[in-house]
Amino acid sequence: DIQMTQSPSSLSASVGDRVTITCQASEDIRNYLNWYQQKPGQAPKLLIYHASNLETRVPSRFSGSGSGTDFSFTISSLQPEDVATYYCQQYHNLPPTLTFGGGTKVELK
Amino acid sequence: QLQLQESGPGLVRPSETLSLICTVSGGSINSSTYYWGWIRQPPGKGLEWIGTIYYSGSTYSNPSLKSRVTMSMDTSKNQVSLNLRSVTAADTAIHYCVRYSIMEGVLNYWGQGTLVTVSS
Repeated sequence: DIQMTQSPSSLSASVGDRVTITCQASEDIRNYLNWYQQKPGQAPKLLIYHASNLETRVPSRFSGSGSGTDFSFTISSLQPEDVATYYCQQYHNLPPTLTFGGGTKVELK
Repeated sequence: QLQLQESGPGLVRPSETLSLICTVSGGSINSSTYYWGWIRQPPGKGLEWIGTIYYSGSTYSNPSLKSRVTMSMDTSKNQVSLNLRSVTAADTAIHYCVRYSIMEGVLNYWGQGTLVTVSS
């Protein structure tokens, strides 16, 4: 089974700061890596798909990069509304399994 | 607009079966393009994939839960169902129904989630 190691598990940053989260896969997953934002009491929301593609209507301050086993997610200028927990997710299609990273809780300093 | 809505008992007793239904509106579950899956999230914790069903009836489950998971589809009602047997307190979680494409694995449609508590 593919394991996803996400770090850090939490971070505190100021408005306007650049925030980076990393996700490492236990084996090559090409670019089958997605990023989600989850706010309290809500279902996760897709932000980035295929490692680096911005979902429709998602602000451009969010970005993703990487391929193979190492991936990163960046908020270029943290806004108050970005306080949330972020998850990476990998997809293996044969058989179709999903694995999530442990999550990163982003708070304001 | 596709919508997914989970429903089922909010309280299940230990050793019994957790049963949930996901009702889909705005699109058919009888599609070769998509998988329908279940994700759970224990209170205050992370996301865990439970299992996935395809329109053909094929199912795939998390190895850690496989022996206890059953999934099915009712195309006449446009519903997907989940049964998890022999539950314990560790199965207490918010359960989400999701749709994702078979080629890309992008979970772009989620239900609002339903909390199931396992307690006597």
